[in-house]
Amino acid sequence: QKEVEQNSGPLSVPEGAIASLNCTYSDRGSQSFFWYRQYSGKSPELIMSIYSNGDKEDGRFTAQLNKASQYVSLLIRDSQPSDSATYLCAVNNGGSGNTPLVFGKGTRLSVIA
Amino acid sequence: EPEVTQTPSHQVTQMGQEVILRCVPISNHLYFYWYRQILGQKVEFLVSFYNNEISEKSEIFDDQFSVERPDGSNFTLKIRSTKLEDSAMYFCASSVNSGANVLTFGAGSRLTVL
Repeated sequence: QKEVEQNSGPLSVPEGAIASLNCTYSDRGSQSFFWYRQYSGKSPELIMSIYSNGDKEDGRFTAQLNKASQYVSLLIRDSQPSDSATYLCAVNNGGSGNTPLVFGKGTRLSVIA
Repeated sequence: EPEVTQTPSHQVTQMGQEVILRCVPISNHLYFYWYRQILGQKVEFLVSFYNNEISEKSEIFDDQFSVERPDGSNFTLKIRSTKLEDSAMYFCASSVNSGANVLTFGAGSRLTVL
């Protein structure tokens, strides 16, 4: 059973601070890693994708991947109240087949103004 | 920006009734998916579809469920005889390629079974 684990939160940070969201996964064969943002009652919206070890930055967001530790994280710099949402970590093995994404339950982030 | 379109946005049905949820994937995408999310729980994979056939399906996708691409644009999920536990948000998604490619999700169809 492929599992993706996240702390459900809520994680509360003050406006302007760095929010750090973490995710671990069980399948060592995983190759593709994604962070989605989901506002209440809405669909998942892609924030970042990462495929190789190290950091990947996109604006205020940085994804970090450590395949040896089976760990992926998302940092949000200069957090804004509009960042308040549930952040979903999703993983698949990125193979040639039509392999499905496996989602974590999500971490609820609350940015306090 | 291209988007995945889902209808209806909300459907209420009686237990035992058949339900069809409809999706129009992004036009140049080749892979189509259905996921569901029960309130307060994780997004769960149901089925993937490519080249007019099911590629992979989860344990959830039992004989009560079926998918179809009846024409060049629509992708449908049918639940033959709904149960209370089928109440969930159903998301359609599509991607250009499989594997490492990014999924784009539709806004979802909320199904309420009474």
